[in-house]
Amino acid sequence: GAVVSQHPSRVICKSGTSVKIECRSLDFQATTMFWYRQFPKKSLMLMATSNEGSKATYEQGVEKDKFLINHASLTLSTLTVTSAHPEDSSFYICSARVGQGDSPLHFGNGTRLTVT
Amino acid sequence: QKEVEQDPGPLSVPEGAIVSLNCTYSNSAFQYFMWYRQYSRKGPELLMYTYSSGNKEDGRFTAQVDKSSKYISLFIRDSQPSDSATYLCAMSAESGGSYIPTFGRGTSLIVHP
Repeated sequence: GAVVSQHPSRVICKSGTSVKIECRSLDFQATTMFWYRQFPKKSLMLMATSNEGSKATYEQGVEKDKFLINHASLTLSTLTVTSAHPEDSSFYICSARVGQGDSPLHFGNGTRLTVT
Repeated sequence: QKEVEQDPGPLSVPEGAIVSLNCTYSNSAFQYFMWYRQYSRKGPELLMYTYSSGNKEDGRFTAQVDKSSKYISLFIRDSQPSDSATYLCAMSAESGGSYIPTFGRGTSLIVHP
C-alpha cells in the first residue's frame, strides 16, 4: 500500500516553456501532498504543501508564481514549472502520507527536469 | 548549526559487513524519526519509522534512537550489494497541527561484493 506515482520521470524542455508534473496517490486518498526539490548531494528541500481544494502553502523563498501547484482531487496534485530556466533544472519529488498528520511520508519516484 | 547533521560519505563496506549509519540533531522537539533509502534517480523509500527512544528491528535493519543524546542510528546486518544506496534520516516535530519532516543530506553507502 501507500503507492505514490509521479509522472513524467524525466523531462527535457527549452528555456521559457512550462512543464507540468503529476503526482498521484494510487491506493489511498491524500488531502495533503508535499513537493520537494533535491539537489545533488543535498537534503530534500520542501517547496510547498499542496492542500486539496485550497491554495498551496509555499516555503519561504519559493516563488509561487513560478511553481504553480494545483490539488484538484484527493488523489492528484500537479506542479507546473512556468517559464522554466536552466537554474530550475533539478530533481522534483512529491510525497503524501496515509492517515494522521504524524504518519510518515511516502514518496513518488521523482521527476528529473532539465531545462536547456 | 543545521538542525539535522548527517555525514554524506561515501561509506564503502564489503558484502556481509554490519553497517552503521548515524544522524545527530539539535531540535529537542523532534518526536518522530525515520530512515529512508534512496536509489539513484529514484524517490526515497521508507525503511523505518520510530517514535520513542530505543530500538526497532525489521529484518536486517535496526533503528536506534537516543533522545537524550539527540542521536539516531540505522544498523544494517549482513549487508548486500543491493543495499548500495543513499540513506536519508528524517525527523519531525508538531508544528501547527502538522508534522513536516526535516531531512539529513543522506549518506551514500556502497557495499562491494
